[in-house]
Amino acid sequence: EPEVTQTPSHQVTQMGQEVILRCVPISNHLYFYWYRQILGQKVEFLVSFYNNEISEKSEIFDDQFSVERPDGSNFTLKIRSTKLEDSAMYFCASRTGRVQETQYFGPGTRLLVL
Amino acid sequence: AQSVTQLGSHLSVSEGALVLLRCNYSSSVPPYLFWYVQYPNQGLQLLLKYTTGATLVKGINGFEAEFKKSETSFHLTKPSAHMSDAAEYFCAVTPNFGNEKLTFGTGTRLTIIP
Repeated sequence: EPEVTQTPSHQVTQMGQEVILRCVPISNHLYFYWYRQILGQKVEFLVSFYNNEISEKSEIFDDQFSVERPDGSNFTLKIRSTKLEDSAMYFCASRTGRVQETQYFGPGTRLLVL
Repeated sequence: AQSVTQLGSHLSVSEGALVLLRCNYSSSVPPYLFWYVQYPNQGLQLLLKYTTGATLVKGINGFEAEFKKSETSFHLTKPSAHMSDAAEYFCAVTPNFGNEKLTFGTGTRLTIIP
């Protein structure tokens, strides 16, 4: 069964460093999402992406964040200058364009900013 | 705008007992509703979803949920808990016009007592 994959599974970085989190959505999916979950808190929406542009973003998704689909398979989330409060689990999700279709989530990347 | 309220951040039930996880939603448009499960150190897995049609929805692992519009509820139940059900459960909502972000509840951590 096709699944969303994410790399790396864990990343440790120093405050102020840039990180890129990578996702490979399911191949026939058209809509892509990033969510994050700070430890002990609920899953929060960051951004949605369709047709090579951002379709919606949350207040969390400020100028330090960017997303890109550099080729036909990868979907990346870049944090330009990480802060301590960026430490979280980051989930990628994707879905087809069909009505009533579910978002399928990847296993997540746990980011720790020191 | 949509929101989800999950009553109880923790629930403990005995093995073999009924599991009832509560979810109430608020939505300005007809919603799609979801239950996701997160096992320790893993990503989000879809348990079941309500989009249209039958209001009693059956999912994986013996779980089911009933959409009650009059009560704005989508409670998750399982008649007999199993040790493997120990996990965190998230209710989520999205507008029914499809490709929008998921809004999650705060989650309920289910513990099964042998």
